[in-house]
Amino acid sequence: AQKITQTQPGMFVQEKEAVTLDCTYDTSDPSYGLFWYKQPSSGEMIFLIYQGSYDQQNATEGRYSLNFQKARKSANLVISASQLGDSAMYFCAMREQETSGSRLTFGEGTQLTVNP
Amino acid sequence: DSGVTQTPKHLITATGQRVTLRCSPRSGDLSVYWYQQSLDQGLQFLIQYYNGEERAKGNILERFSAQQFPDLHSELNLSSLELGDSALYFCASSVDPINTGELFFGEGSRLTVL
Repeated sequence: AQKITQTQPGMFVQEKEAVTLDCTYDTSDPSYGLFWYKQPSSGEMIFLIYQGSYDQQNATEGRYSLNFQKARKSANLVISASQLGDSAMYFCAMREQETSGSRLTFGEGTQLTVNP
Repeated sequence: DSGVTQTPKHLITATGQRVTLRCSPRSGDLSVYWYQQSLDQGLQFLIQYYNGEERAKGNILERFSAQQFPDLHSELNLSSLELGDSALYFCASSVDPINTGELFFGEGSRLTVL
């Protein structure tokens, strides 16, 4: 079974609108972390946001917020007030403390296009 | 700038050849990870080193090997290259092996095997 599932291969959003990128995960590890990374066309992997499994509040970093629903095993990324520079591939990733130590398992990514 | 440096940024070589990719982690980071990103396999974890010792192994082929040196830089050696080895190879670093926070990625080394 896939550990990280991103069901949206591609998403489109109008500039200045909000967009939600979906991510569901599968783990039996009681301690895990969830990450979102952005990969622009230039190729580098840019860290956006992190949520620990024991964190009570949803993580936020500027225009990025993570909608963490533990019971549903989902960790959706919300980007508010989209900008043209947000056009990129977005990856959800998970670190399972007991199962796999500190390595990250990545989803297949969602290609976001922001239209002017 | 993540602080993780990878060289070379681009590399074109032929099948059967051998290449070495180099990674310098962020200052103070002891743990180095190598990932491969290809079109058909996505982002795959290859191997992790911590303070010079191999810590974890993922989907790394026997033709590939890596090491971390006393100055903490790491090298990924790819030999007997095949067309399917064409990919973007990332190095990432963190402070500790358990990595309770962000994993910092380099800009990647894009390998093309012709």
